[in-house]
Amino acid sequence: AQSVTQPDIHITVSEGASLELRCNYSYGATPYLFWYVQSPGQGLQLLLKYFSGDTLVQGIKGFEAEFKRSQSSFNLRKPSVHWSDAAEYFCAVEDYGGSQGNLIFGKGTKLSVKP
Amino acid sequence: DGGITQSPKYLFRKEGQNVTLSCEQNLNHDAMYWYRQDPGQGLRLIYYSQIVNDFQKGDIAEGYSVSREKKESFPLTVTSAQKNPTAFYLCASSINQGLALEQFFGPGTRLTVL
Repeated sequence: AQSVTQPDIHITVSEGASLELRCNYSYGATPYLFWYVQSPGQGLQLLLKYFSGDTLVQGIKGFEAEFKRSQSSFNLRKPSVHWSDAAEYFCAVEDYGGSQGNLIFGKGTKLSVKP
Repeated sequence: DGGITQSPKYLFRKEGQNVTLSCEQNLNHDAMYWYRQDPGQGLRLIYYSQIVNDFQKGDIAEGYSVSREKKESFPLTVTSAQKNPTAFYLCASSINQGLALEQFFGPGTRLTVL
């Protein structure tokens, strides 16, 4: 079965520092990949998505992600973190093994930002 | 503004009671979804619906029921058969259940069993 792994449960970075959140997936072919962000007690907001083509994808709020087929990874990056980026981040992959159109989510990475 | 609304934001239930969580969307989306979120567990799919009057079980459907009588509405009932219902529940929708289509999420309902 497909799966998504986010190895880091909690990450703390200083404001202004760079950020990289890791995401690994298990699927033989090129999947459709997504990154969502969730503020405490809120719903999820899409940051960016990858379907095909350029492996570096730009998203909202200054985020980008790079698809690396050889590493089965889709890591999320931001050059300079702002205090408002503190939230939980979820990587998701399209569910090909089950019902098309459904998403499989990782367990999330909580980001804390130090002043 | 188009979007997804969920009500109530907080819900308290006594053991043995059924409760219904509301989800409404005015995005004209065909597909709707219900997820359960527990700390450190990510999102798990409860039920989904591709079209009016049709829905399918997700990964953790036991103890839950849904209906889809209208395109814009997809209520979730948490029944007394659900052994551990305390969680954060998220509703989502997408244009249709095709490949590579993003899902839009509501603000969530936090259910607590007393």
